[in-house]
Amino acid sequence: AQKITQTQPGMFVQEKEAVTLDCTYDTSDQSYGLFWYKQPSSGEMIFLIYQGSYDEQNATEGRYSLNFQKARKSANLVISASQLGDSAMYFCAMSHTGGFKTIFGAGTRLFVKA
Amino acid sequence: NAGVTQTPKFQVLKTGQSMTLQCAQDMNHNSMYWYRQDPGMGLRLIYYSASEGTTDKGEVPNGYNVSRLNKREFSLRLESAAPSQTSVYFCASGGRGSSEAFFGQGTRLTVV
Repeated sequence: AQKITQTQPGMFVQEKEAVTLDCTYDTSDQSYGLFWYKQPSSGEMIFLIYQGSYDEQNATEGRYSLNFQKARKSANLVISASQLGDSAMYFCAMSHTGGFKTIFGAGTRLFVKA
Repeated sequence: NAGVTQTPKFQVLKTGQSMTLQCAQDMNHNSMYWYRQDPGMGLRLIYYSASEGTTDKGEVPNGYNVSRLNKREFSLRLESAAPSQTSVYFCASGGRGSSEAFFGQGTRLTVV
């Protein structure tokens, strides 16, 4: 069965510093995708970044990068130059390529300090 | 673009009451989803619809029914609400394979 584990319930980071949010996954699929979503206090879910299991390079989207280590089954999110607006809940998710069922981790709440 | 629109945003039900959560998307996506979000558990898939006319169970379908009315609309029905169904419900569209899902604003449902 597929599983996503986010071991950090809460994280603090100083404004302008980088932070890494951990995500490990378990799957027997060979072809799959990994996602990160952000949920601010307002409640909406915002897509941040995607990494395919066959992508050789780590995905990057602006200040977000995904540190993909396939052998370790980890897909950590790195946020560079943290901003106050980055304070939110962050969810790691996974789906089989071409599939419809996405599973989510329990989330990590990030607090950015001024 | 409105994206994914859910109604209502808040609802309080008494145990045993029924209600339907409505969802509509204007992005011409084939696939649509209903999730529930509970503290400490992330989002769990209730039902999904791969395309108009089809629906399938997700991880936690018990106590729910869905209808894919047309390509735009996907509703979630609670026939007899229970306190265990107190949650935040999200509708989403897109999200097949490598494509990200687009989420509605969520419905906060309390069953007393």
